[in-house]
Amino acid sequence: GEDVEQSLFLSVREGDSSVINCTYTDSSSTYLYWYKQEPGAGLQLLTYIFSNMDMKQDQRLTVLLNKKDKHLSLRIADTQTGDSAIYFCAESPSGNTPLVFGKGTRLSVIA
Amino acid sequence: DTAVSQTPKYLVTQMGNDKSIKCEQNLGHDTMYWYKQDSKKFLKIMFSYNNKELIINETVPNRFSPKSPDKAHLNLHINSLELGDSAVYFCASSKGLAGQETQYFGPGTRLLVL
Repeated sequence: GEDVEQSLFLSVREGDSSVINCTYTDSSSTYLYWYKQEPGAGLQLLTYIFSNMDMKQDQRLTVLLNKKDKHLSLRIADTQTGDSAIYFCAESPSGNTPLVFGKGTRLSVIA
Repeated sequence: DTAVSQTPKYLVTQMGNDKSIKCEQNLGHDTMYWYKQDSKKFLKIMFSYNNKELIINETVPNRFSPKSPDKAHLNLHINSLELGDSAVYFCASSKGLAGQETQYFGPGTRLLVL
């Protein structure tokens, strides 16, 4: 079945890079997503990558996709205290099907 | 053992009808959410309830009304369904307020309005 796994916690110092990892199971997933959950808000889309891409960069965010290993990562450069949040990885199984979410990685940024 | 369950899983209905989607969580969580997954599979928050009180109410047509009879349930009622309401709707729950605790998602309800 479909499953998305993430580590639950990550702690980094302000200014360092953060790398949040995710593995998924559906090799036919067309898109993979990173969502951010900030206090007081619902999930917000951070970025996404199409399955035929290896890398996508958007300002401080870099998404790497290893389709062979079904591994997705989100790198945040120069991590700030405002980046402290829970980050969810999600895969998009083929067809008109619901997203499948990981359980979220709590990123704590230490000043 | 299902943590967050939604019923029905599929819903096909005619334009103009009124329908409800039910959500239940057995995790003892205080906060529940409704999200809409659009055609690009982007997820957008619609509502959030904490201890049966509405805390997030994004710009959603008045035809959508959430109802929380108790902490374990958050139902979504939709009046006068329109074609554009066709989407996947996710329910989720968390122990505390959004951002403090991770969310657990239901399997989604696929709504198709004809």
